[in-house]
Amino acid sequence: GESVGLHLPTLSVQEGDNSIINCAYSNSASDYFIWYKQESGKGPQFIIDIRSNMDKRQGQRVTVLLNKTVKHLSLQIAATQPGDSAVYFCAERTYNAGNMLTFGGGTRLMVKP
Amino acid sequence: GAVVSQHPSRVICKSGTSVKIECRSLDFQATTMFWYRQFPKQSLMLMATSNEGSKATYEQGVEKDKFLINHASLTLSTLTVTSAHPEDSSFYICSGQGEKETQYFGPGTRLLVL
Repeated sequence: GESVGLHLPTLSVQEGDNSIINCAYSNSASDYFIWYKQESGKGPQFIIDIRSNMDKRQGQRVTVLLNKTVKHLSLQIAATQPGDSAVYFCAERTYNAGNMLTFGGGTRLMVKP
Repeated sequence: GAVVSQHPSRVICKSGTSVKIECRSLDFQATTMFWYRQFPKQSLMLMATSNEGSKATYEQGVEKDKFLINHASLTLSTLTVTSAHPEDSSFYICSGQGEKETQYFGPGTRLLVL
C-alpha cells in the first residue's frame, strides 16, 4: 500500500451516503488482502478480507473490490454512519513472506451528521 | 471470537527502565504473534514475528537486544522494551494469528518514556 507519511488522506462524507476508500498495493505476488478499521487510541479491527482469486466480496454494509490488473483494492461502506468514522488501513500478505502483512498508509474517514 | 488483549494499556516510565507488555489471545490459539509500533498519524510498522516456542524474527532496523520478545505459549507473547528512552515512546500493538490467515489485533499499549 501507499505510505503517506504524517498526513493521512481524509475522506469526508455525509451520514447516510456511501463511502469508497481506495488502496494501491505494491506486490503482484500478494495473495490475500484485509481491510482494518482503527479508531483513535485503539488497535486495528478486522472488517473484511479477500483472496486474490476473487474480485469482490461482500459483508454487512461493506464490500471489498480487488483489481489485480492495476493492483488496486477498495472498500465500499454503504449508508455510512457516524460510528464508521475512523482510520482505515488496507493490508496485503505475500505468501512467500511468512504470512506477514504489509500495511498501507491509511485513510481517515470522517462522517458528518 | 478472535479476541486479543494487551496489558498494560498505558504506561509511563523513566528513561533507562525496562517495560514489559503482555499480549494474550483469549479465545484462540495464536501459533504466530506479531508486534507492531505505530507513531501518530502513521501506519503500523512490523517489528517482529514470533512463533510459539521459537526465537522471534526481527525486521530490519529493530534491535533484538532492545526489544525482547518471548512467545512462551500459544496464548501469550511478551515484549520487553529494555533501557527505554524517550524515542521509544510509541503505540505498541500485537496481533495473533491462529489457524485462519487473518491477524487479530490487541487494543494497543501506549508507552511514554520520560
